[in-house]
Amino acid sequence: DIQMTQSPSSLSASVGDRVTITCRASQSVSLYLHWYQQKPGKAPKLLIFGASHLQSGVPSRFSGSGSGTDFTLTITSLQPEDCATYYCQQSYITPLTFGPGTKVDLK
Amino acid sequence: EVQLVESGGGLVQPGGSLTLSCAVSGFTFSDYYMSWVRQAPGKGLEWVANIKEDGNNKYYVGSVKGRFTISRDNAKNSLFLQMNNVRREDTAVYYCARVNSWGYGSTFDNWGQGTLVTVSS
Repeated sequence: DIQMTQSPSSLSASVGDRVTITCRASQSVSLYLHWYQQKPGKAPKLLIFGASHLQSGVPSRFSGSGSGTDFTLTITSLQPEDCATYYCQQSYITPLTFGPGTKVDLK
Repeated sequence: EVQLVESGGGLVQPGGSLTLSCAVSGFTFSDYYMSWVRQAPGKGLEWVANIKEDGNNKYYVGSVKGRFTISRDNAKNSLFLQMNNVRREDTAVYYCARVNSWGYGSTFDNWGQGTLVTVSS
């Protein structure tokens, strides 16, 4: 199975800050890497697919990059509504696997 | 508007059985792979199973193989998860999710609100 790790596990930032979350795969997943946002008590929401493609309706302050084993989710200017847990997910092979999540809150 | 609505969760004893359902609307159900994804209380996301558009191909995470069965009824726009011989570690919110690919494998682009399954005696 492909193991996914994320760093940091949590972070606190101020409104307007640039936030970067890293996801690493235990083997190459090419561009088969996606990012989700989950708020408490809610279902996850797809933000980025194929490492860098913004899902329709997602604000442009979210962006993704990377390929192979190392990926990054960036929020260019953190907004209060971005407080949530963020998960990466690989779809290169089954079983499909998620990272453990990164919790983002306001400082 | 795409909608996915899960039902069937509840309390079940270890070793027991439960069937989850997901009613979908707002898109052509038979055009999409579908999935179940679960989340144990306070934990992260875990993919459980996928089913192809025609129901002929099914894929499972190792921990549920032989115990869970994913199925679908395209005529009724419904997805199911038959859970047999459940274990305490199956306690989770179970989400129904639509799978989209865009050439990048299984991406979950729409989710239901989830249904809670609690395995306890």
